[in-house]
Amino acid sequence: DAGITQSPRYKITETGRQVTLMCHQTWSHSYMFWYRQDLGHGLRLIYYSAAADITDKGEVPDGYVVSRSKTENFPLTLESATRSQTSVYFCASRRGRGSVWSEAFFGQGTRLTVV
Amino acid sequence: AQRVTQPEKLLSVFKGAPVELKCNYSYSGSPELFWYVQYSRQRLQLLLRHISRESIKGFTADLNKGETSFHLKKPFAQEEDSAMYYCALINAGGTSYGKLTFGQGTILTVHP
Repeated sequence: DAGITQSPRYKITETGRQVTLMCHQTWSHSYMFWYRQDLGHGLRLIYYSAAADITDKGEVPDGYVVSRSKTENFPLTLESATRSQTSVYFCASRRGRGSVWSEAFFGQGTRLTVV
Repeated sequence: AQRVTQPEKLLSVFKGAPVELKCNYSYSGSPELFWYVQYSRQRLQLLLRHISRESIKGFTADLNKGETSFHLKKPFAQEEDSAMYYCALINAGGTSYGKLTFGQGTILTVHP
């Protein structure tokens, strides 16, 4: 099915472990984004990507790594998970330059708990 | 740096009452602003965008460049409007072109 999907939906990991959250979209959208959603902070941008092999930091990039070797995938890696990274993570995608007004489409979210 | 501020974390109204969710922004260029909504157990989805000047589900939002605001309004709230609402801004120029920034969100509860 076309769309944007995240995996896993739920993840519990231990402090210090590396964990990767996956995001896949089937529209060939140029832009992809990772956000974390926390009570009181709303949606905060972690990283975004304008195209394959082009990524840039958002508001809260520390402790996270991204890559985008293919247009359709945008994995987010927590190099050494900390309790403060317990959150709900959302991936989003939208069309690229020339479609400035296009809406962003969101994945269903990944609830990550670091114990 | 671009910033979106939603001053109210929680907003409660009764069914049939008017509702206004506030959004203020700071951005040096011409802003592109959106409202997104997240209903319970659903994905975040676009509600409306300022360029369209449309009314979706009875909601409207007017861009006020002088006050740097993009408040969301509805004259008669319905129970099904209860949700989390996010104001968002896209960077339309410069080195961060395409960056999409959200506010802190407002949880709207409409009581029967």
